[in-house]
Amino acid sequence: NAGVTQTPKFRVLKTGQSMTLLCAQDMNHEYMYWYRQDPGMGLRLIHYSVGEGTTAKGEVPDGYNVSRLKKQNFLLGLESAAPSQTSVYFCASSYVGGEKETQYFGPGTRLLVL
Amino acid sequence: QQQVKQSPQSLIVQKGGISIINCAYENTAFDYFPWYQQFPGKGPALLIAIRPDVSEKKEGRFTISFNKSAKQFSLHIMDSQPGDSATYFCAARRKLTGGGNKLTFGTGTQLKVEL
Repeated sequence: NAGVTQTPKFRVLKTGQSMTLLCAQDMNHEYMYWYRQDPGMGLRLIHYSVGEGTTAKGEVPDGYNVSRLKKQNFLLGLESAAPSQTSVYFCASSYVGGEKETQYFGPGTRLLVL
Repeated sequence: QQQVKQSPQSLIVQKGGISIINCAYENTAFDYFPWYQQFPGKGPALLIAIRPDVSEKKEGRFTISFNKSAKQFSLHIMDSQPGDSATYFCAARRKLTGGGNKLTFGTGTQLKVEL
């Protein structure tokens, strides 16, 4: 099992450009999440999904959109990139139920917006 | 608003020593407290976790101590090794209405274990 994979690993964008980050998981997890990690701020939840076809906003959703057309994939889109979106983006997934509803993280996508 | 406060920001420990990282939370709706370990260029990975009705959990060299009344919990790494050098995040979980759970992370502690 590959677990959680993310594409691309690194990207440089110019202000105003758009891009899509892809997250894929092969663990048949129901829940998927997108986080951003910034120095000194830990990880902050951008958007999440509790199942195929559903999405919801996290704590920092502005400037991002997401889609979950297939259970195993969760896409994060930036319609018009801004320098403030320079960050490392992590995708995570988790299964349903039980106290150990633990999130499994991908390796991250490093994004630089100039 | 930082709901999970973590300290110290960085920590240097000698090989064989004990590393201690502390976290404090405010929201009593949190129901699960995991610790994640992150190596450079990698995603966070679950290290150990505890429920709030348990005061201590030990897995190998890693121990979580939990004080519910004080809303504090800490990670102890016994016999610290150079391979433990990484960034450690505490987190607190809250169930989301409609399903899923939300992890609120501390700001991280960069641990370096020196020979």
